[in-house]
Amino acid sequence: EAGVTQFPSHSVIEKGQTVTLRCDPISGHDNLYWYRRVMGKEIKFLLHFVKESKQDESGMPNNRFLAERTGGTYSTLKVQPAELEDSGVYFCASSQGEGRTGELFFGEGSRLTVL
Amino acid sequence: GNSVTQMEGPVTLSEEAFLTINCTYTATGYPSLFWYVQYPGEGLQLLLKATKADDKGSNKGFEATYRKETTSFHLEKGSVQVSDSAVYFCALPLNSGYSTLTFGKGTMLLVSP
Repeated sequence: EAGVTQFPSHSVIEKGQTVTLRCDPISGHDNLYWYRRVMGKEIKFLLHFVKESKQDESGMPNNRFLAERTGGTYSTLKVQPAELEDSGVYFCASSQGEGRTGELFFGEGSRLTVL
Repeated sequence: GNSVTQMEGPVTLSEEAFLTINCTYTATGYPSLFWYVQYPGEGLQLLLKATKADDKGSNKGFEATYRKETTSFHLEKGSVQVSDSAVYFCALPLNSGYSTLTFGKGTMLLVSP
């Protein structure tokens, strides 16, 4: 069974440019989460999808970030325009059912560097 | 919401040494507690969990006991191996009844032969 896959693994862009990160969850997992880890700090929650609906987007830092999950399958996270402080590793995770067991399955992360 | 604090790293040990990584939490009620591990070049994966007070989670020789008196969930291993070198994250639900987890800053463990 394929795990959670993320693309690209690393992206280097200049301030003001746009970047789109993609996450393919494990097939059949309704729950999809985006997290971000900045400069060795804690992993911060960004948002949670249940199928195609945004269950909780309280962690999204500002309106430069847009997440979508059309059709309830893969998800994209767009940053537009990117700022220096957006640099970090963006993790995607998925879980099945209500996910209350706490076992989230993570991708390897997409490292974003904004110059 | 709930939060977790874990010790800063890196923790550098020789092979077969004893490991303790401290984790304390602040929470409403008694949520489940988790340790996740990220090996180099991989995503995070669940290492162990405990769902109620006094429970002990264990996996791959690692253990952690849910202590409500001290609000702690310290990770221990009696004899570390080079292959245990990784970043370890303590985690708990962001809010009670929630599936979304909140994580600590992570503790890097480096084990030398």
